[in-house]
Amino acid sequence: QQQVKQSPQSLIVQKGGIPIINCAYENTAFDYFPWYQQFPGKGPALLIAIRPDVSEKKEGRFTISFNKSAKQFSLHIMDSQPGDSATYFCAAIRDTPLVFGKGTRLSVIA
Amino acid sequence: GAGVSQSPRYKVAKRGQDVALRCDPISGHVSLFWYQQALGQGPEFLTYFQNEAQLDKSGLPSDRFFAERPEGSVSTLKIQRTQQEDSAVYLCASSFGGMSYEQYFGPGTRLTVT
Repeated sequence: QQQVKQSPQSLIVQKGGIPIINCAYENTAFDYFPWYQQFPGKGPALLIAIRPDVSEKKEGRFTISFNKSAKQFSLHIMDSQPGDSATYFCAAIRDTPLVFGKGTRLSVIA
Repeated sequence: GAGVSQSPRYKVAKRGQDVALRCDPISGHVSLFWYQQALGQGPEFLTYFQNEAQLDKSGLPSDRFFAERPEGSVSTLKIQRTQQEDSAVYLCASSFGGMSYEQYFGPGTRLTVT
């Protein structure tokens, strides 16, 4: 079964827009929810992570919003740039291997 | 210093051949993970080492897959009698501590089985 569901599958935004990527999880035991960014031909790289006792976390232009009751979390990218074009994966972990969503391919067009 | 490195970057194997994929983790990282990433999908866990001990191999899809990390640093993922469904990118990641969300990934090895 898919423990972390991610949407949308792909997203196109104009430069300066705010793409939003959503994830939902099943296992309430997860205690960290990271986001990874992957460029073509590269491995994923950690972007930002949040614990479930925090409702929002910002790092630079990246913000995670977390809704524990709904078992959902999302990534917002402020003032998106063409260089942000990549595939983004949400994930979850607790004393278990990282469980990844299926990914969102983001294209930021100038 | 350097990040996680993997070799070869690309491997083409004929069905039935054995392959060996190598991972050099970041120096000093205790934990090492192998993932399989199919085209257009997220990475899926294969196996986990803490130093030389293989603590979790629940993700290995069959007994044709074998991983080792004999000295607690470099790791090798071996696939015997490759099948077409083994075609994927194999990613290696390392982390400083144990089962951590903060994992550093290598560029992967793209395996194509013909």
